[in-house]
Amino acid sequence: DSGVTQTPKHLITATGQRVTLRCSPRSGDLSVYWYQQSLDQGLQFLIQYYNGEERAKGNILERFSAQQFPDLHSELNLSSLELGDSALYFCASSTTSPDTQYFGPGTRLTVL
Amino acid sequence: GENVEQHPSTLSVQEGDSAVIKCTYSDSASNYFPWYKQELGKGPQLIIDIRSNVGEKKDQRIAVTLNKTAKHFSLHITETQPEDSAVYFCAASFKLGNEKLTFGTGTRLTIIP
Repeated sequence: DSGVTQTPKHLITATGQRVTLRCSPRSGDLSVYWYQQSLDQGLQFLIQYYNGEERAKGNILERFSAQQFPDLHSELNLSSLELGDSALYFCASSTTSPDTQYFGPGTRLTVL
Repeated sequence: GENVEQHPSTLSVQEGDSAVIKCTYSDSASNYFPWYKQELGKGPQLIIDIRSNVGEKKDQRIAVTLNKTAKHFSLHITETQPEDSAVYFCAASFKLGNEKLTFGTGTRLTIIP
């Protein structure tokens, strides 16, 4: 158990809908990262927050957004969902930035 | 941007034998190389990492070697056990810059009892 928690574990929704994925980092960790894992794209970095501020951005779609709150938990918002957004979404956290990243158990999103 | 290639994509070894997984990276500025193990239905678990100022690192049955000149690094697992069966990912990042991890495509390791 890495100490990173993610909810929900599974999410099934329809195309065009909007969902929110939640991540709680390890106690004391200031940095949160979001990754997408799909069969055809592998593990892809989406976005990083450090102590509430956006630090780095990867290949994150404009339909996706994230934020990190004062209590350091983070949310990833996915809107106008498409079938291709079906994937595992992982959150990772690190104590500072840059630092070793520890991954959560993931949220499996299925878009029907 | 950084590109990480990983080989082989699948690997089967007899229990007790050694397994080696290799990765190459493209960005010579990369200086941090972690390895993750992912079991079915779980998130990637860090098993070992190495920084560019070190050529080799060992932790019990697991070792990682880094060749900066050739831009490749390898994971070595000795005395393999059935619980080593999983998907292994290498990754690279440039610390003190963009800290995102760029992952290889993964190796599915199967230990044959």
